[in-house]
Amino acid sequence: AQSVTQLDSQVPVFEEAPVELRCNYSSSVSVYLFWYVQYPNQGLQLLLKYLSGSTLVKGINGFEAEFNKSQTSFHLRKPSVHISDTAEYFCAVTPSGGRRALTFGSGTRLQVQP
Amino acid sequence: DGGITQSPKYLFRKEGQNVTLSCEQNLNHDAMYWYRQDPGQGLRLIYYSQIVNDFQKGDIAEGYSVSREKKESFPLTVTSAQKNPTAFYLCASSIDTRTTRNTEAFFGQGTRLTVV
Repeated sequence: AQSVTQLDSQVPVFEEAPVELRCNYSSSVSVYLFWYVQYPNQGLQLLLKYLSGSTLVKGINGFEAEFNKSQTSFHLRKPSVHISDTAEYFCAVTPSGGRRALTFGSGTRLQVQP
Repeated sequence: DGGITQSPKYLFRKEGQNVTLSCEQNLNHDAMYWYRQDPGQGLRLIYYSQIVNDFQKGDIAEGYSVSREKKESFPLTVTSAQKNPTAFYLCASSIDTRTTRNTEAFFGQGTRLTVV
């Protein structure tokens, strides 16, 4: 089984500042990793994903994430945030060889302040 | 436009009543999923289906039922046996995970169910 831990439930940050949202996972098999964003009362939108290859993954809206196998982490970063980045962010994992739905973390609320 | 449609957006139910949430996709995806979202708990898997006429229980299936009679449709019924049904319900779909490693899931806009 897989599990995902998002270490921060809320992250307040000022506009144009950098931000890092932390994600750690646990799995006995190799995995694929994802970051999704959710705006209020909406569904989830994929930001980026890691399947294999380069450990630095770039996504939409200027976000990027780095896969670290030894630390079982997949932290999300953005060098300069905007007010419009205020949302809930979810890290998710699924086994790379299995037929299984995504397992999600509990989410991190990013609050960008002017 | 291709996508996933959930209806209704808001739903109110009296205690003791069953209610069915609709999920339709026109992405030609084989796999479909239902998640429940509660504040501070992320998304928890209720049921998923990899192909038509087949589905599996997720982590919190008790009090829920599903059917998959058509590839495009995966309705979720919240039964009276579900003790705390008030939540935000999300439906998702993905291409066949048996034949490809791209397991990205696409989500609908959700249905907010409130028990009154």
